[in-house]
Amino acid sequence: DQQVKQNSPSLSVQEGRISILNCDYTNSMFDYFLWYKKYPAEGPTFLISISSIKDKNEDGRFTVFLNKSAKHLSLHIVPSQPGDSAVYFCAAPNSGGSNYKLTFGKGTLLTVNP
Amino acid sequence: DAGVIQSPRHEVTEMGQEVTLRCKPISGHNSLFWYRQTMMRGLELLIYFNNNVPIDDSGMPEDRFSAKMPNASFSTLKIQPSEPRDSAVYFCASTLMLGNSPLHFGNGTRLTVT
Repeated sequence: DQQVKQNSPSLSVQEGRISILNCDYTNSMFDYFLWYKKYPAEGPTFLISISSIKDKNEDGRFTVFLNKSAKHLSLHIVPSQPGDSAVYFCAAPNSGGSNYKLTFGKGTLLTVNP
Repeated sequence: DAGVIQSPRHEVTEMGQEVTLRCKPISGHNSLFWYRQTMMRGLELLIYFNNNVPIDDSGMPEDRFSAKMPNASFSTLKIQPSEPRDSAVYFCASTLMLGNSPLHFGNGTRLTVT
């Protein structure tokens, strides 16, 4: 049972344009969400997070939007840069309020073309 | 800060052999996690330690898998005997379990069992 789903395995965008990565979840008890970025041969690195009490969190070029009624979140990258090319994972902790037992989506490979 | 250090980076072994993966968490972190990444299942949590004590090992697939954390700066994940289906990338992560502090991942060990 996949509680966190990333339905697009890959996404390709042009440098300077917006990248939108999507994530759906099924567990209504999730109250905190995280995005991780992963380069080849490296471990995932934390990118940005959002609490369920918010619908938007912004950090520089990265913005995460949360739509609780739709159980959907998205990561926007504007403007996209070639260095953003990586696999992006959406994740949620099973135990509310902490990073205990993160459930990850299967990831979306973003390619930003120069 | 050297980050989470895992060794070896790559391990190739024959079916039936014992495999030991090693992890040094970030100094000062009190929680350590072992994750496994496969194409089929994505990133899945195997076991989690808090203050060197195993808290949740429900993700450990079989009795062939065992993990220890003898002190705050070292953990091992052992597979005995190894099987081809154990081939995966194994990640160790650590965090200071405080609020919503993110996980810091090592660069993983790529295990191939032939």
